[in-house]
Amino acid sequence: AQKITQTQPGMFVQEKEAVTLDCTYDTSDPSYGLFWYKQPSSGEMIFLIYQGSYDQQNATEGRYSLNFQKARKSANLVISASQLGDSAMYFCAMREVSTGGGNKLTFGTGTQLKVEL
Amino acid sequence: ETGVTQSPTHLIKTRGQQVTLRCSSQSGHNTVSWYQQALGQGPQFIFQYYREEENGRGNFPPRFSGLQFPNYSSELNVNALELDDSALYLCASSLLAGVQETQYFGPGTRLLVL
Repeated sequence: AQKITQTQPGMFVQEKEAVTLDCTYDTSDPSYGLFWYKQPSSGEMIFLIYQGSYDQQNATEGRYSLNFQKARKSANLVISASQLGDSAMYFCAMREVSTGGGNKLTFGTGTQLKVEL
Repeated sequence: ETGVTQSPTHLIKTRGQQVTLRCSSQSGHNTVSWYQQALGQGPQFIFQYYREEENGRGNFPPRFSGLQFPNYSSELNVNALELDDSALYLCASSLLAGVQETQYFGPGTRLLVL
């Protein structure tokens, strides 16, 4: 079963509008971390925002905020005031403990965001 | 920019050959993780190194191996290359810190196997 689900393969938004990218996750671990990364066409994964499972408040980083609904196991990314430079692939990821005891990230399939004039 | 560097940026190999990819971690970080990203997919965890020891491994065969050096830089070695090994290989560095560990990625190495 998929641990991270991103149901929107592609999204369009007009410049200066807000957009929400969906992410649901599945874990039985009470302690986990959720991340969003941006991947432009150049390929580099750029860290955007982090939410810990015990955090009481939703994370915010500039124009990015994370709408964390723990009971629904969702961690949606909200981008406010979209800019042309926001056009990229966006990945939701969850930190899990790997077999050797270290941390690994499990990624979703991504959402391609296109910002239009 | 994260301060994580990878070399080379692009590489073309033929099936059966061996390849070594390199990664320099961000200053102050002690952990390096490697991921494989096939076209149109999310990255898949290969393995992680902490203090020069493998600290976790994903579902990849033994022909994928790695090293971490005392300065925390790392290498990914792939033997007996297969066509399906064609992918973007991403290195990420972090400071091992439990739940809040954030991995910062380099620009990646694009490998094409012919």
